[in-house]
Amino acid sequence: EADIYQTPRYLVIGTGKKITLECSQTMGHDKMYWYQQDPGMELHLIHYSYGVNSTEKGDLSSESTVSRIRTEHFPLTLESARPSHTSQYLCASGEMTGNSPLHFGNGTRLTVT
Amino acid sequence: AQSVAQPEDQVNVAEGNPLTVKCTYSVSGNPYLFWYVQYPNRGLQFLLKYITGDNLVKGSYGFEAEFNKSQTSFHLKKPSALVSDSALYFCAVRDADSSYKLIFGSGTRLLVRP
Repeated sequence: EADIYQTPRYLVIGTGKKITLECSQTMGHDKMYWYQQDPGMELHLIHYSYGVNSTEKGDLSSESTVSRIRTEHFPLTLESARPSHTSQYLCASGEMTGNSPLHFGNGTRLTVT
Repeated sequence: AQSVAQPEDQVNVAEGNPLTVKCTYSVSGNPYLFWYVQYPNRGLQFLLKYITGDNLVKGSYGFEAEFNKSQTSFHLKKPSALVSDSALYFCAVRDADSSYKLIFGSGTRLLVRP
C-alpha cells in the first residue's frame, strides 16, 4: 500500500471558500508533485517541488498555491474555490533519480458548488 | 520536447484472451518509460518500467511491456486477461536528461468482459 496520504478523500465546498488539500509521505522523498485529473482521465501537472522551500508551477495554469516547509508535507491551497476547480487532485512523490517511479496517493475528489 | 501518445481511449477484450495497450513516445535523449494502472477512486499504481537493457520488461500482476526503439513504442501486454484487470492504464516517459519531468499519456481504459 501507498506510503503517501491525502486528506480529505472527498470534499464538497461552496464557491468562495478557502481550502487546503493535505499530502504527506513517509518515504523521505525529495520530489513531490500535484496533478489535476479531469473527467476525461488525463493528468495535468500543476505544481512540483524538489525539496524544502522549493516549489514550481507545472504545465497547467492553476490558481492554487503550494508550500514545502517540511520534506514530508506538500499541501495545496485554493484561496477562493470556484466550480471550475471541481476535479480529482492527485499527490505524488519520488526519489531524485530519474529512473525511479512515482508513488501516488489515493487522491482528493473536490466538488465546488 | 517530450511527449507520449496512447492512441486508444478504450480497449475491449474477453477474459482469457491476450491484451495489448499501445503507447508511443518522443524524447530527445534516452527514454525512461513507465506504465501505471488506476483503479476506481484510487491513485496511480506503478506496474513496470524500462530503463535500459532487455527490451521485454516484466512487471506486477503478470503484465509485461516491450520496448521498441525503432518504432518508439512501449506497448503493455498480458498473455491472458482477467476481469479484475479492468482499469485505466497510463504510459509515461521521462527524458533521461530531465529527471524531474514525467509526461503522462492520456490514458486507456481497459475493459475485460467475462
